Amino acid sequence: SQQGEEDPQALSIQEGENATMNCSYKTSINNLQWYRQNSGRGLVHLILIRSNEREKHSGRLRVTLDTSKKSSSLLITASRAADTASYFCATDAGASGSRLTFGEGTQLTVNP
Amino acid sequence: DVKVTQSSRYLVKRTGEKVFLECVQDMDHENMFWYRQDPGLGLRLIYFSYDVKMKEKGDIPEGYSVSREKKERFSLILESASTNQTSMYLCASNLYGSYEQFFGPGTRLTVL
Repeated sequence: SQQGEEDPQALSIQEGENATMNCSYKTSINNLQWYRQNSGRGLVHLILIRSNEREKHSGRLRVTLDTSKKSSSLLITASRAADTASYFCATDAGASGSRLTFGEGTQLTVNP
Repeated sequence: DVKVTQSSRYLVKRTGEKVFLECVQDMDHENMFWYRQDPGLGLRLIYFSYDVKMKEKGDIPEGYSVSREKKERFSLILESASTNQTSMYLCASNLYGSYEQFFGPGTRLTVL
């Protein structure tokens, strides 16, 4: 069953604008991760936020986590054309730690 | 840098053929994973392995088997390929106890 669900499914913005993607999940988690996938390629890890953290930054990325609402958001500031990609959230699925459940992804298009 | 490689980027096979997808990682990771990715469904875990000769079923193991004879190599086997196995197949690996997964570039398999 799907654990993470991203919203929106697709997002189109202009270069320089901020992009916000949301992820909702159903069960309790230890942490939540965001990954990026360029067209037809593998996924690349962006950032991990633990369940006891509320916000985390990495460069132009800002991730928030609200465990009471079972939701997370990824904000990309000052977007660039090179940020065009699909973005996935992933939640750990229990005791095994490494086993992740991925959402369906948000396709971000940044227009130059 | 961690490198995860997959034997083919594109593969075309016929219904009923036995198909081998190979994945190799060079960072001595204990855990290795096979996912398939389909539009609208995100990534779904097929099988994973946490040690040589060890394997566990993921969410959609039917029609697939795996082999891990050496720590660095994890093979996905389609015993008798069917058209509904046309998909993008992604391999990943990580260290035991770690959450971040490192992905290969993917193999786009078409079964005719």
